[in-house]
Amino acid sequence: QSTLPQPASVSGSPGQSITISCTGTSSDVGAYNHVSWYQQHPGKAPKLLIYDVGIRPSGVSNRFSASKSGNTASLTISGLQADDEAHYYCSSFTTTGSLVFGGGTRLTVL
Amino acid sequence: EVQLVESGGGLVQPGGSLRLSCAASGFIFSNSWMNWVRQAPGKGPEWVAIIKPDGSGTHCADSVKGRFTISRDNAKNSLYLQMHSLRGEDTAIYYCAKDLGWKQFDSWGQGTLVTVSS
Repeated sequence: QSTLPQPASVSGSPGQSITISCTGTSSDVGAYNHVSWYQQHPGKAPKLLIYDVGIRPSGVSNRFSASKSGNTASLTISGLQADDEAHYYCSSFTTTGSLVFGGGTRLTVL
Repeated sequence: EVQLVESGGGLVQPGGSLRLSCAASGFIFSNSWMNWVRQAPGKGPEWVAIIKPDGSGTHCADSVKGRFTISRDNAKNSLYLQMHSLRGEDTAIYYCAKDLGWKQFDSWGQGTLVTVSS
């Protein structure tokens, strides 16, 4: 299956900020404001962090923020905490009515 | 609290069939679009199928079209995925997921593992 390119891994120290990019095309990320971000800890189901580019569901920390510029979406995590160590996936609705996920980024908190 | 509990996974031979179920509670199931999303070992998630609240319309990913069928029983608050002609590449954890809109998933089950192997 095709996936949206994301960096395979990023790292940061506690308290720092990191940004994860998600590069799409005019057929997905660039076409709609229906980009989501998910956090997944090992052995657990993904958890919705962000939907519609930059909206946080109730209960998600405001340390998580996201945006989009053109065909690229970005997730920023500020004030890194040990529990932020996880895999992060973007997803985007597509012009064919389907959904494409990112390849995933492993975040390591040093 | 929203709860989604999948069942029905297991080991099946290539070419075989399997039916997954998802029991939903804690929300108005009959008002909700529902999905199946799968995740192969060590890979990212892959959207599989979606169904309208009343079951009148469905849409599947190209990778499973003609082999998988999504359905629901609103009287039982249950979602199903009937899988036929299973292949090795269908090996994955299968999650049912509640749709927030535009295939964005605000609740996920714990998943059920499907292994296709001889």
